[in-house]
Amino acid sequence: EAGVTQFPSHSVIEKGQTVTLRCDPISGHDNLYWYRRVMGKEIKFLLHFVKESKQDESGMPNNRFLAERTGGTYSTLKVQPAELEDSGVYFCASSQVRWDNEQFFGPGTRLTVL
Amino acid sequence: QQQVKQSPQSLIVQKGGISIINCAYENTAFDYFPWYQQFPGKGPALLIAIRPDVSEKKEGRFTISFNKSAKQFSLHIMDSQPGDSATYFCAGYNTGNQFYFGTGTSLTVIP
Repeated sequence: EAGVTQFPSHSVIEKGQTVTLRCDPISGHDNLYWYRRVMGKEIKFLLHFVKESKQDESGMPNNRFLAERTGGTYSTLKVQPAELEDSGVYFCASSQVRWDNEQFFGPGTRLTVL
Repeated sequence: QQQVKQSPQSLIVQKGGISIINCAYENTAFDYFPWYQQFPGKGPALLIAIRPDVSEKKEGRFTISFNKSAKQFSLHIMDSQPGDSATYFCAGYNTGNQFYFGTGTSLTVIP
């Protein structure tokens, strides 16, 4: 069974540019989560999808971040315009059951904003 | 504010030794405390977890010790091996809410 995949693995952009991160959850997992880890800090929750609906987006930093999950399959996280403090590793996770204790994480996208 | 505090930030242990990572939490509503293990280039993966109604859980060489009154829990890795070298994250979870992770501990086991 394929795990959670994320694309790209790395992205280096300049301040003010736009970046779109993609996450493909494990097939059949209705629940999809986005997290971010700034270097040396904790892994922080950003938002939670149940199928195509945003269940909880309380962790989204500001309105420069836009997450979508078209058709309840893959998800994208767009940052526009990117700022220096957006640098970090963005993780996606999925679970079969809502807020299942075990979430399966992808390898992450390392975003560097210069 | 940070709901789960983790220490140390990094840890170096000799092969065969015991690795100990500590976490403290504030939210008494947490009802699930997992530890995640992350290898370079991979995402975090669930290693072991405990609920607050027990004081210890052991799976192979990995043990969680839980102290509810002190609001602390720790991961013990017995007979540490070079293959255990990874970053470890503790977390607290309140059912229906979100996971709160610690800042991570980078463990290096020297052969």
